[in-house]
Amino acid sequence: QLQLQESGPGLVKPSETLSLTCTVSGGSISSSTYYWGWIRQPPGKGLEWIGNIYYSGSTYYNPSLKSRVTISVDTSKNQFSLKMSSVTAADTAIYYCARLDSSGWYLGYWGQGTLVTVSS
Amino acid sequence: QSALTQPRSVSGSPGQSVTISCTGNSSDVGGYDYVSWYQHHPGKAPKLMIYEVTKRPSGVPDRFSGSKSGNTASLTISGLQAEDEAGYYCCSYAGSYTFPWVFGGGTKLTVL
Repeated sequence: QLQLQESGPGLVKPSETLSLTCTVSGGSISSSTYYWGWIRQPPGKGLEWIGNIYYSGSTYYNPSLKSRVTISVDTSKNQFSLKMSSVTAADTAIYYCARLDSSGWYLGYWGQGTLVTVSS
Repeated sequence: QSALTQPRSVSGSPGQSVTISCTGNSSDVGGYDYVSWYQHHPGKAPKLMIYEVTKRPSGVPDRFSGSKSGNTASLTISGLQAEDEAGYYCCSYAGSYTFPWVFGGGTKLTVL
């Protein structure tokens, strides 16, 4: 059974860089059918798609966050990562990693999510 | 592109049916049969309930069904149960955009 697990600091200071890693187990991140994505949910708000990466390294970013976001992949570790620079309190959210199935463009598997708080 | 439009809340009594709508435009919902629905209980990972408008993943009860007409997709939950109380989000592929995936704003389902 495929599992995704987010990891990283739960507290980040304003203006600094948020860094999270998603470890994939039970399946290969290098499968040609899937993309790997980051989605977040600020407190009391809905889901916001941050961006996706393909195992080859091709990336796709939400235009609203593109200037601050970098997603990378490490196929040797079966992991992909998110970096978001110049964070503010508005970036406080639960961050989820997920697998996007390109056969139907749906998110079939999700991590449990990790809360990141931006505060000094 | 803009988020898909969902009602902020819906409610129903146990055993009843409810329908949650998801309205987009011809570039997303109306243009592709790639609408999916997710159930989200607080503190848990979102769960895929419907994909490609009408398909149910293995393990999802057949009380959950999806449909689409024009630019509006719908999720219907029949025989409401207390455990169905959750947030529900639609999502659509929008191939003509640079970032061609968009969520709806989410709907809170309350089981009375």
